[in-house]
Amino acid sequence: SQKIEQNSEALNIQEGKTATLTCNYTNYSPAYLQWYRQDPGRGPVFLLLIRENEKEKRKERLKVTFDTTLKQSLFHITASQPADSATYLCALDRPGAGSYQLTFGKGTKLSVIP
Amino acid sequence: EADIYQTPRYLVIGTGKKITLECSQTMGHDKMYWYQQDPGMELHLIHYSYGVNSTEKGDLSSESTVSRIRTEHFPLTLESARPSHTSQYLCASSDGTAIQYFGAGTRLSVL
Repeated sequence: SQKIEQNSEALNIQEGKTATLTCNYTNYSPAYLQWYRQDPGRGPVFLLLIRENEKEKRKERLKVTFDTTLKQSLFHITASQPADSATYLCALDRPGAGSYQLTFGKGTKLSVIP
Repeated sequence: EADIYQTPRYLVIGTGKKITLECSQTMGHDKMYWYQQDPGMELHLIHYSYGVNSTEKGDLSSESTVSRIRTEHFPLTLESARPSHTSQYLCASSDGTAIQYFGAGTRLSVL
């Protein structure tokens, strides 16, 4: 079965720096990969989706890369702010389920220190 | 902000009680999902529905049941709550694209 690993459970960075979060996966070649943000006690919120034929996607201060050879996605937040502190989840489409089902990683808890 | 609502937000209940967690969406999405999430852990799919009168179990065994009588409503029921059911339950919907829209969740504690 597909397996997702997010590089670390927690990441602390200084305000203004770039945060880089890693998502590695095995046993599958997804058609697309997504990143979600989850605040404590809340449901995940969609941030970005990148398809297998796309190398990079940007949205404001967010950037996602997708390397299907390395089976890895990197999620960058530039000029980080304390309000960016949250848990960030990586999600892949499931084999055989098309775009209808997702498998989520455990997430990386990001803390941006003022 | 997604138009998907879960009630109650918090529920503390005794063992053996029957409970229903409500989930409603106003986006007209065909696909709806229930996930279970423990602190610091990944989301586990427990039920899904691709339309009215269509429900399937997910990959995490659950003693809960669901129904989908109307497009906008996807309630989850536990006939007899146990402490092992203590968790956060998240409802989501999708219009068939890859993106899922989540409610705020119900945090259930069974004593």
